[in-house]
Amino acid sequence: AQTVTQSQPEMSVQEAETVTLSCTYDTSESDYYLFWYKQPPSRQMILVIRQEAYKQQNATENRFSVNFQKAAKSFSLKISDSQLGDAAMYFCAYRLLPNTGNQFYFGTGTSLTVIP
Amino acid sequence: GAVVSQHPSWVICKSGTSVKIECRSLDFQATTMFWYRQFPKQSLMLMATSNEGSKATYEQGVEKDKFLINHASLTLSTLTVTSAHPEDSSFYICSAWGLLVGTDTQYFGPGTRLTVL
Repeated sequence: AQTVTQSQPEMSVQEAETVTLSCTYDTSESDYYLFWYKQPPSRQMILVIRQEAYKQQNATENRFSVNFQKAAKSFSLKISDSQLGDAAMYFCAYRLLPNTGNQFYFGTGTSLTVIP
Repeated sequence: GAVVSQHPSWVICKSGTSVKIECRSLDFQATTMFWYRQFPKQSLMLMATSNEGSKATYEQGVEKDKFLINHASLTLSTLTVTSAHPEDSSFYICSAWGLLVGTDTQYFGPGTRLTVL
């Protein structure tokens, strides 16, 4: 069974500072995708960043970057230069490949507060 | 980017009635659609996977006779909550995946808030 664990229910960061959100997962698959999604109060899921498991290079998307440690099954998100608009619920997600089901499995989420 | 819509965005119904929620892919053909349920301040729980023209595959613990899913076309999937009860009140989110928009992401709808009185 696939499980995704986010050990930090709540985090806070000062505006313009850097924060790291943790995520670990468990899987027996060798190839898969990992994602970070942001869910603001509107509850629309917004893709922040994604990582293919076969790629060793960590994904980067502007102020967002990940630290992907495949052997440790760890996938943390770093937000640099935090902005007020970054305040939201962040979900780490694991996704099977299309040929093995394509399903998403989400972590329990981390609520991020940005302090002005 | 690809757009997924849901209708209605908010519905209130009486206990014992049935409610249908629609999920549409507006600018791509969705080979597969997924239905999730989210309780307040909790994560998204996958309910079922729906492939166009096939019966939905339900996750363990999800009652298939209570949550009827139909994926009759490549742009529309529906979730019907039958004989709804207050404990079915929740936020329901669909997502869609299609080959034309790439194989490495899914697009989420904006969700439907169901309140059963």
